[in-house]
Amino acid sequence: DQQVKQNSPSLSVQEGRISILNCDYTNSMFDYFLWYKKYPAEGPTFLISISSIKDKNEDGRFTVFLNKSAKHLSLHIVPSQPGDSAVYFCAASGAGNQGGKLIFGQGTELSVKP
Amino acid sequence: DVKVTQSSRYLVKRTGEKVFLECVQDMDHENMFWYRQDPGLGLRLIYFSYDVKMKEKGDIPEGYSVSREKKERFSLILESASTNQTSMYLCASRGARDRPYGYTFGSGTRLTVV
Repeated sequence: DQQVKQNSPSLSVQEGRISILNCDYTNSMFDYFLWYKKYPAEGPTFLISISSIKDKNEDGRFTVFLNKSAKHLSLHIVPSQPGDSAVYFCAASGAGNQGGKLIFGQGTELSVKP
Repeated sequence: DVKVTQSSRYLVKRTGEKVFLECVQDMDHENMFWYRQDPGLGLRLIYFSYDVKMKEKGDIPEGYSVSREKKERFSLILESASTNQTSMYLCASRGARDRPYGYTFGSGTRLTVV
């Protein structure tokens, strides 16, 4: 069963506008959520995280929102830039998880057009 | 910065061959992971190790084994390669006391089994 789901495989946005990437999860025991960004032929790189005790975390142009009642998180990128074009993975980890195992979603490919 | 190095960027192997994928990290991390990335399926955990000589199965261990004889090296072994193991393989490491569950990934190995 897919515990972390990204239902949109792709998203296209105009440069300067807001990009909103969504992620749903099923396991209420997850205590951290992360977003990773991946360019072709490179490994994913960490972007931003949020603890389950918070509902918002902001880092420059990137903000992650967490809605625990809906088991939903989203990543907002404002303003979007062409260099943001990449695949974005949502990931989650549970309390007491030995080794810090992360469970990833399917990914959303973001294309920011100039 | 932590460096995670995967020995090959691209590999082509024949069906039935035994394949070794090597991963080395240089920051004395306790935890190491092997994922595969496939379109529409995201990153799926194959095996992980939280210490030397320790290993745990991930979500899709069938057809794979691993070896961790030294702390810095985590090897993924395809005992008898099959075409359905054609994929991007990503290694990651994480210190046991690092920022919440954040991984550092290698650049990946694109394996094609013919």
